[in-house]
Amino acid sequence: GQSLEQPSEVTAVEGAIVQINCTYQTSGFYGLSWYQQHDGGAPTFLSYNALDGLEETGRFSSFLSRSDSYGYLLLQELQMKDSASYFCAVKPSNYQLIWGAGTKLIIKP
Amino acid sequence: NAGVTQTPKFRVLKTGQSMTLLCAQDMNHEYMYWYRQDPGMGLRLIHYSVGEGTTAKGEVPDGYNVSRLKKQNFLLGLESAAPSQTSVYFCATRTSGGVNTGELFFGEGSRLTVL
Repeated sequence: GQSLEQPSEVTAVEGAIVQINCTYQTSGFYGLSWYQQHDGGAPTFLSYNALDGLEETGRFSSFLSRSDSYGYLLLQELQMKDSASYFCAVKPSNYQLIWGAGTKLIIKP
Repeated sequence: NAGVTQTPKFRVLKTGQSMTLLCAQDMNHEYMYWYRQDPGMGLRLIHYSVGEGTTAKGEVPDGYNVSRLKKQNFLLGLESAAPSQTSVYFCATRTSGGVNTGELFFGEGSRLTVL
């Protein structure tokens, strides 16, 4: 079967750095995406890694290691507005995404 | 420019009733998707379409039907609603541009309760 594993909850302090890990097992692999979802809202796209390495976009960075079937999302200089759920999603074919169950990020002042 | 619009936003149904959710996009995207999201879970793909007149089954298609008669619209139908179909439904779209495209654009969601 196909599966993605990510922690269910992570807690961090405002201004700190937090890393959310994602491991995957899928029949194919085109890339790994990260999405943010606030309570009651829709998922919004954060990043996409098709190749190994680190991609940086402002305070957010995403890393991929295809040989380890592993990626992570790094959030720096945490702000209270970053409190949300974060989902990793693998693209096993050109048409579909397989989603992890999500990581709830709790930020304390 | 509305992006992706879902109607209705909220609906309460009785078991056995039927209904249709409409997803409309003005982004000229080829690919459209219907997902459901249940508490504490990721999104699960119900059906998807890679172009006008085409549809395909996703992970959890049972109890749902879809149609894509026009490129901009993707309809999700529940013929005989069941309490297990209580969920939040999201429509999403994506450009077809190559294998290195990972971004989905989502509607605001439709919250469906089946009593």
